[in-house]
Formats: sequence, structure tokens, C-alpha cells
Amino acid sequence: KAGVTQTPRYLIKTRGQQVTLSCSPISGHRSVSWYQQTPGQGLQFLFEYFSETQRNKGNFPGRFSGRQFSNSRSEMNVSTLELGDSALYLCASSYGQAVLTNYGYTFGSGTRLTVV
Amino acid sequence: KQEVTQIPAALSVPEGENLVLNCSFTDSAIYNLQWFRQDPGKGLTSLLLIQSSQREQTSGRLNASLDKSSGRSTLYIAASQPGDSATYLCAPSTGANSKLTFGKGITLSVRP
Repeated sequence: KAGVTQTPRYLIKTRGQQVTLSCSPISGHRSVSWYQQTPGQGLQFLFEYFSETQRNKGNFPGRFSGRQFSNSRSEMNVSTLELGDSALYLCASSYGQAVLTNYGYTFGSGTRLTVV
Repeated sequence: KQEVTQIPAALSVPEGENLVLNCSFTDSAIYNLQWFRQDPGKGLTSLLLIQSSQREQTSGRLNASLDKSSGRSTLYIAASQPGDSATYLCAPSTGANSKLTFGKGITLSVRP
């Protein structure tokens, strides 16, 4: 079965621009989580969507936003890009309910964003 | 707030050694714990998932144990190979929405 698909794989943007990243979860998974990974901070949780609703949010500024569509696909948007936003952005999908945690999370390959 | 610690940050061993990678976490109220592997510049690959009610889980040369009450998990790698070289991350799942919290990872290098 297909895994978690993230597009694009690589992106170069200029400071001040905005960017949208896409994530398609495993078929049947209703939860999509987003993480930012940098060498200094490691993996940091951005937010999680379940059935089109944001139900968990990390400590990131309001420039970081997301949404989930009815088919569970999710997009993440970063506005007014800063140099410090350069990172690997990872998306993970799961069934999304605590009682179904037998299955854990499956991650995509990530989108490497470089801000210049 | 869950905090995860993985020590040491890096490890270099000769091929064939049996390895123990440690993970500690502060909040024992977890649903489960996952071990992941990450190759440079790549995404995360799930290795093992241990439920909070389980003590250990095995897959091939990998064995993960969980002691929830003491906030510890261990990943055991038997007969290490150069292909095992990667960063290993542990992530307990906590909270009503089973959010993952990651440690900084252990970067393993297995020398031929």
C-alpha cells in the first residue's frame, strides 16, 4: 500500500515569501501531523489535524498554519518566510484515535525548505 | 510536558557488536513508544512500536524494551552491520491525542 507522500521534495524560497507544502496520508488514516526538523532543535511538533479539525498545536508563531481536506490530505503554509524557517518538514499519518494506537505513526520523506 | 533524553548523542562501533541504545522520558503516562531510524536527509522509518502494556517487541535483529514506570526504553541491536549506520530516535506517545515527543536521537556509525 502507498506510504505517506509529501510534495515537493525540495524547495528554495526567498525571505518574505510564503510557501505551501502538501501531505497525502496513507489510505484510511485520518490524522496528519506536521514536524519541523533542524540540526539545532531536532524534531519539533507543529500541529495535528484529524477529520479536518486542528486538535493539537505546538509552540510556533502564527505564520505557520495548516489545514486538512475531506480526503485527509493536508497542507501546511508558512507566510513571511525567515531564514530560520529553513528545515526539513515532515508529515506523519496515523489512524488518529488513542484506542487505535496499535498502528503508530508513519512518516513521509519530508520537504526540504531552504530560505535564502 | 513530556521530555525525552537519548544519551550518548553519537556512537561508533566495529561491525558485529551488540548494541544498546537508551531512551528516557519524564511522563510515564504514555500510550505507546516508537523507535525510528533516520538516514541523512531522509524521513523517519518506524522500526518498532511498543504498547504501554507490553514489556518488549522484536523484529529481526532489533529488540525494544519498555519500562513505563521508570520512564525508560532500550533498543537492542544484535550483530551490528554497516547498514545499521543512521540516527535512531525514540518517541513516546502521550496525551489524549497521542502526540509524539522526540529525543534528539543517537547517531550510530558501524565501522566495517
